[in-house]
Amino acid sequence: KAGVTQTPRYLIKTRGQQVTLSCSPISGHRSVSWYQQTPGQGLQFLFEYFSETQRNKGNFPGRFSGRQFSNSRSEMNVSTLELGDSALYLCASSFRQTGSLEKLFFGSGTQLSVL
Amino acid sequence: KNEVEQSPQNLTAQEGEFITINCSYSVGISALHWLQQHPGGGIVSLFMLSSGKKKHGRLIATINIQEKHSSLHITASHPRDSAVYICAVAGGGADGLTFGKGTHLIIQP
Repeated sequence: KAGVTQTPRYLIKTRGQQVTLSCSPISGHRSVSWYQQTPGQGLQFLFEYFSETQRNKGNFPGRFSGRQFSNSRSEMNVSTLELGDSALYLCASSFRQTGSLEKLFFGSGTQLSVL
Repeated sequence: KNEVEQSPQNLTAQEGEFITINCSYSVGISALHWLQQHPGGGIVSLFMLSSGKKKHGRLIATINIQEKHSSLHITASHPRDSAVYICAVAGGGADGLTFGKGTHLIIQP
């Protein structure tokens, strides 16, 4: 069974640009959640999707958005990039709706550098 | 907002030692996760628990709901256990998971 796949693995952007990251969950998993990891703040929850609907959202500005498709694949978008957006972005998948209440399976992450 | 505190922040031990990592939180929760992160970023879920104790191989996780505290124990530690261990809580008034800062564990041969 293939794991959670995130693409791209590395990304370099400049301030003001926008970026789209992709996450393909484990086959059969319907919940996808996204996290930002920085050396200063550690891991922080961004949002969670189930059946194409956003179920939960963390405390991030509106520049951070996401969506989920009918095949459960998810994308997150960051518009008007700032230097502080440089981080490792991780997604995780789980089978049921409330992903945080069951075991999560993480992807390897996308390392975003904003110059 | 739930505050999640882990201790110690850094731990260096010799191979074979018994390791304990602690996690405390401020608000009642629905579940607690223990995660392992190796250099390179990949995160593996070790345990999810809401009460009692779970064991998997050399790893044991316990939680005390009344005291708002959880521990992760590693018996007969091995250099391959070297990683960052992260505690995360679900519920407690917050959407999604709230994470601790992690414990950086190094096991020396």
